[in-house]
Amino acid sequence: EAQVTQNPRYLITVTGKKLTVTCSQNMNHEYMSWYRQDPGLGLRQIYYSMNVEVTDKGDVPEGYKVSRKEKRNFPLILESPSPNQTSLYFCASRAGTGRNTEAFFGQGTRLTVV
Amino acid sequence: AQSVTQLGSHVSVSEGALVLLRCNYSSSVPPYLFWYVQYPNQGLQLLLKYTTGATLVKGINGFEAEFKKSETSFHLTKPSAHMSDAAEYFCAVSVLDTGRRALTFGSGTRLQVQP
Repeated sequence: EAQVTQNPRYLITVTGKKLTVTCSQNMNHEYMSWYRQDPGLGLRQIYYSMNVEVTDKGDVPEGYKVSRKEKRNFPLILESPSPNQTSLYFCASRAGTGRNTEAFFGQGTRLTVV
Repeated sequence: AQSVTQLGSHVSVSEGALVLLRCNYSSSVPPYLFWYVQYPNQGLQLLLKYTTGATLVKGINGFEAEFKKSETSFHLTKPSAHMSDAAEYFCAVSVLDTGRRALTFGSGTRLQVQP
């Protein structure tokens, strides 16, 4: 089954404690990205990757890092989480290079930073 | 730059009634438009998309949307609401940026279906 898998689904952490949210897709998609979802703001892109070893900032990259060492994996790293990073996070992947390709989303990671 | 505005953060309808969720876009080039649905505790799932061609697009679960260039709109409709349609719905436009290829989302509309 084609899917995007995120882990963990829920995470509560303390300010400053480094964490990683994993994302893996089994569709051989080149393009992957991370979004955060906040009430009233919809989804905003954090980082994206067009292929292995190619990553770039989205709309709200501050406080986040990513890496793309393998095509299927795209982890999101919070080196020093802060309470304003409490949010619902989604990983997504897209095939091809056209604007008309749909995005496939993971089930989300609800992060709380206290 | 492209943007999307969804009118109404919450919409409530009775079961069997018409569903109308509004989406207006702003784009300097022909837009590629999407509607996604998010059920509780789940990720986003594609309902339908408009790229080129026919302006009336049919999607899953009986939903459809009509692209109206003159009104810069892409409203989502369903003739008869079902309880299972209760979810949050997002309109999105595909960004033109050569590299990012991101989706720009609206703020979402939560649909409630009353028995």
